[in-house]
Amino acid sequence: QKEVEQDPGPLSVPEGAIVSLNCTYSNSAFQYFMWYRQYSRKGPELLMYTYSSGNKEDGRFTAQVDKSSKYISLFIRDSQPSDSATYLCAGSSGGSYIPTFGRGTSLIVHP
Amino acid sequence: DVKVTQSSRYLVKRTGEKVFLECVQDMDHENMFWYRQDPGLGLRLIYFSYDVKMKEKGDIPEGYSVSREKKERFSLILESASTNQTSMYLCASSLVQGAESLHFGNGTRLTVT
Repeated sequence: QKEVEQDPGPLSVPEGAIVSLNCTYSNSAFQYFMWYRQYSRKGPELLMYTYSSGNKEDGRFTAQVDKSSKYISLFIRDSQPSDSATYLCAGSSGGSYIPTFGRGTSLIVHP
Repeated sequence: DVKVTQSSRYLVKRTGEKVFLECVQDMDHENMFWYRQDPGLGLRLIYFSYDVKMKEKGDIPEGYSVSREKKERFSLILESASTNQTSMYLCASSLVQGAESLHFGNGTRLTVT
C-alpha cells in the first residue's frame, strides 16, 4: 500500500463547479501537507501548503487536512478550464524534507 | 523566481548507451532531487543530494547513479540504458531541511529503444 493514496480520475466537471480532490495517507508522522498542480508537459508546481490539521484558503482554493482520519482535501470554487491539470497531494514528516507523493488526480474542467 | 532547468526536453537513446541528464538550479538551493514519473505510478524518487558531493538513494536507485560536483548542478546517469527506463524524468530543488517546497524543472522525456 502506498503511503499516500489518490484516485487517478479523470474527474470531469463543468465550468463553475466546485471541485473536491481527496487523498488519504497512512504515515502518522506526516505534519506537512502539500498540493501540487501539474499542467501537461510541465513540471509540478506548488499550489497549497499546510501544516498539521485545519484549513487554508488562497483565492478559489482551499486545502483541508484532517489528521485524525488521515484525510487531505483540496477544494476549487468556481472552477475554470484553466484549472484542468493533474493535482498531486503530498505529505512529509518533521524529520524529513522529502515529500511522499500520491499518484495524482487528473482534472478536466469543460466549458 | 526559482528556476530549475533541465538540459533536454526530449531524448532518444539506444539500449546499452550511457545517458546523462543534466539539471541546473539558479537559487543556491542545498537540496536537489531526481524523480521519474510514469502513468499509474506517479512520482518516484531515484536519488537526492543535500550538499555538494553528497548523495542518498531514493526509492528506486537501481540502474542509476548521480553526480553533484557543484551546488547548482545535479546530474542523473543511466550507466547502461534499458527500455524499462523509458520515462519522464523530473529534477527538483529545495532550500533547506524541513518542509520547504520542491521546485521542479519541466522534465526530460527519455525514450530508450
